[in-house]
Amino acid sequence: DIVMTQTPLSSPVTLGQPASISCKSSQSLVHTNGDTYLNWLHQRPGQPPRLLIYKISNRLSGVPDRFSGSGAGTDFTLKISRVEAEDVGIYYCMQHTQFPHTFGQGTKLEIK
Amino acid sequence: QVVESGGGLVKPGGSLRLSCAASGFSVTDAWMSWVRQPPGKGLEWVGRVKSKTGGGTIDYISPVKGRFTISRDDSNNTLYIQMNSLKIEDTAIYYCIASQTAGAYDIWGQGTVLTVSS
Repeated sequence: DIVMTQTPLSSPVTLGQPASISCKSSQSLVHTNGDTYLNWLHQRPGQPPRLLIYKISNRLSGVPDRFSGSGAGTDFTLKISRVEAEDVGIYYCMQHTQFPHTFGQGTKLEIK
Repeated sequence: QVVESGGGLVKPGGSLRLSCAASGFSVTDAWMSWVRQPPGKGLEWVGRVKSKTGGGTIDYISPVKGRFTISRDDSNNTLYIQMNSLKIEDTAIYYCIASQTAGAYDIWGQGTVLTVSS
């Protein structure tokens, strides 16, 4: 199984400041078709997860442009350019290049 | 666009079937999955069914293989997961998810809670 490792596990951030989360996979996430199925999800307390970014860097419709994804192969990053109060919660990276699909442990974003 | 139902309290060794009613798309034409989240913990993929055009095959994670069965009812546009020989460690919120954007599981339900306890 592909292991997804996120860092940090907790990230206290000041409102208006940037935040960055790293996700590393134990194997390359490049599919045989050339796509890389690395997604980022956000889960607020008591809510289901919501997809933010798919295939490394594609924002889902309605996701603010302060969210951006980057990376390739086994190293990926989610960046929030200016953290807002509604961004608190847990962020997960997720791969569905290979089954079993797997998630990172989650990174808790909180406001200082 | 997907609504799960069927959760509840079950004794160890018992069975339960969860449902996922889809609207706005066909469960036959979508890649769909079940994902679970134990209380206070992270997310775990349970099983996946490919779209009919994608082959329709179904895959499960090892801990549930042989105990859980995913199926589709095209007439009701509903995805199911039949769970047998339930264990305490199956306790979780079960989410039904679907891909409606190429390369993305972008549709998530609100989840339904399964509690396995004596």
